[in-house]
Amino acid sequence: QKEVEQDPGPLSVPEGAIVSLNCTYSNSAFQYFMWYRQYSRKGPELLMYTYSSGNKEDGRFTAQVDKSSKYISLFIRDSQPSDSATYLCAMSAGNTGKLIFGQGTTLQVKP
Amino acid sequence: GAVVSQHPSRVICKSGTSVKIECRSLDFQATTMFWYRQFPKQSLMLMATSNEGSKATYEQGVEKDKFLINHASLTLSTLTVTSAHPEDSSFYICSALNRASGTVTYNEQFFGPGTRLTVL
Repeated sequence: QKEVEQDPGPLSVPEGAIVSLNCTYSNSAFQYFMWYRQYSRKGPELLMYTYSSGNKEDGRFTAQVDKSSKYISLFIRDSQPSDSATYLCAMSAGNTGKLIFGQGTTLQVKP
Repeated sequence: GAVVSQHPSRVICKSGTSVKIECRSLDFQATTMFWYRQFPKQSLMLMATSNEGSKATYEQGVEKDKFLINHASLTLSTLTVTSAHPEDSSFYICSALNRASGTVTYNEQFFGPGTRLTVL
């Protein structure tokens, strides 16, 4: 069993839709939860990070962490074609910076 | 924002040759850098943690004699793939930890643009 599970998709939605991306994990020591966006042939860029459980909102993006269920989500409101990319969840148990990534979900937002 | 560069962006080499990839933090000092490998439609897999002035820490299953890492300064880490073979073809990505960024409990990690290695 992988430490972090993420449905690779692809996920295709119409412009303006609400997108829900999810990851599950097995290691209860994870405390830091990140979402990265990666465009084709580029390095990942950090979208949001959350410490422990709870919600965090930044513009059209909302990250949720439910440690009791070992489940994290990223919601994208009013999705745009420019949101089309691969979204990777990542987790860390401590402050060392060592990240464990999910497989990534490929999202396509159609105009 | 903090910028991390990688050079080269892509390289094609013959089987048996060695390839060096550079990772630089351009506007901050990074005592810790990480090297990842990403196969097509796969996740980023951590290969090793590179600490300035000390030996790299390799993840289980990664051959340290094949993937040589040198973190000689606070802004530069290099990954050398020795005696490369076609199965080493992959997308190699580095990241640098900016301890001056983020909160006390979280240090943000900035990623380079990646290097596409193709071994013929």
